[in-house]
Amino acid sequence: QVQLQESGPGLVKPSQTLSLTCSVSGGSISSGGYYWSWVRQHPGKGLEWIVYIYHTGRAYYNASLKSRVTASVDTSKNQFSLKLSSVTAADTAVYYCARGRTGDYGGFDIWGQGTMVTVSS
Amino acid sequence: DIVMTQSPDSLAVSLGERASINCKSSQSVLYSSNNKNHLAWYQQKPGQPLKLLIYWASTRESGVPDRFSGSGSGTDFTLTISSLQAEDVAVYYCQQYYNIPYTFGQGTKLEIK
Repeated sequence: QVQLQESGPGLVKPSQTLSLTCSVSGGSISSGGYYWSWVRQHPGKGLEWIVYIYHTGRAYYNASLKSRVTASVDTSKNQFSLKLSSVTAADTAVYYCARGRTGDYGGFDIWGQGTMVTVSS
Repeated sequence: DIVMTQSPDSLAVSLGERASINCKSSQSVLYSSNNKNHLAWYQQKPGQPLKLLIYWASTRESGVPDRFSGSGSGTDFTLTISSLQAEDVAVYYCQQYYNIPYTFGQGTKLEIK
């Protein structure tokens, strides 16, 4: 079955760029009927959707973060990525990648385990 | 942005009893073109990612026990656990995927009484 795994540094300095990658295994990122998303969860708090991207590279961003976020997909590596620039302590969170479904299905059906990113000098 | 508000924030229910969690959206998430409510429910246990329970407000995800059910339409939705089991202790979230930005409720913590 399809699995997602986030990777990237757990510590990022303020004002730097956070870079994360989600590796997709057990299936192709180019399969129809899906989109690929990033969601974050601040410590002890709620969930914030960041972006979703199709395998074509078409991306849709949360306007609250859009000026700092870039999403990309690499179909040859079966991965998609997130870059968040000019980070501050407010970006400290667990970052999840997730698979969203289109068509007859809905919701995010598969999630990575999440990766904790701390912004600190 | 569509604001999702869950109630209550926390809930304690006895084993075998019914648990109900409410979710209200600030605008309708019923999409006229497909007549479906773009609303999902998730379960999150400590240290784990979210698990999809329900989508289209009332369609149970494959493999989810049938004690979990979703209901509602438009702006008001309910997740019901018909007979609470010990393994159902978790935080539950609703989420709208009607339009971007997708938004989540603040979560409801479910415990055993």
